[in-house]
Amino acid sequence: NAGVMQNPRHLVRRRGQEARLRCSPMKGHSHVYWYRQLPEEGLKFMVYLQKENIIDESGMPKERFSAEFPKEGPSILRIQQVVRGDSAAYFCASSPQGPSGLNQPQHFGDGTRLSIL
Amino acid sequence: AQSVTQPDIHITVSEGASLELRCNYSYGATPYLFWYVQSPGQGLQLLLKYFSGDTLVQGIKGFEAEFKRSQSSFNLRKPSVHWSDAAEYFCAVGPPGANNLFFGTGTRLTVIP
Repeated sequence: NAGVMQNPRHLVRRRGQEARLRCSPMKGHSHVYWYRQLPEEGLKFMVYLQKENIIDESGMPKERFSAEFPKEGPSILRIQQVVRGDSAAYFCASSPQGPSGLNQPQHFGDGTRLSIL
Repeated sequence: AQSVTQPDIHITVSEGASLELRCNYSYGATPYLFWYVQSPGQGLQLLLKYFSGDTLVQGIKGFEAEFKRSQSSFNLRKPSVHWSDAAEYFCAVGPPGANNLFFGTGTRLTVIP
């Protein structure tokens, strides 16, 4: 039973390019969460999605960032026109239930390390 | 303001010594509480969790944590540290009704021979 799969593990982009980060949740999990970890900091919540729905994007920057979780395929975190400050590790987590079931722990992927040149 | 505090940024212990990592939270109601461990370049692995009931919870790899409501704390302990325990440890809380976890800034553990 595979865990949360994120790819790529490392992504290098130049300023102004687009970055696409993918996350496949654990089998049977329909709730996906994206977090960002800046150097020397803890994880900060960005967005929570269910299939085809964004439930909570209160942690997402208002511009350049978007997320989706289509009916088929992985969840995608998209960053347009990247800047140096976007350099971070981006983690995806999944759970079988939503917030009311936070007693179901979130399982994390190994993250995508994004570096902006 | 709601917050999770891990006051120790970096702790160094000798192999075989005991360990305690501190975590305090500030929320209106008792949240769900978690400890995660992160090895370099890896994702987060759940060590243990507290939802309700017995305030002393056992986790994987010999770790345990104690929830103290009066102190709003959820400290992580291990009686005898192994070199493989060297990693970053994160305390996280899931406030009732929230859509996500809130993380502390982490404690980096170094184990010396």
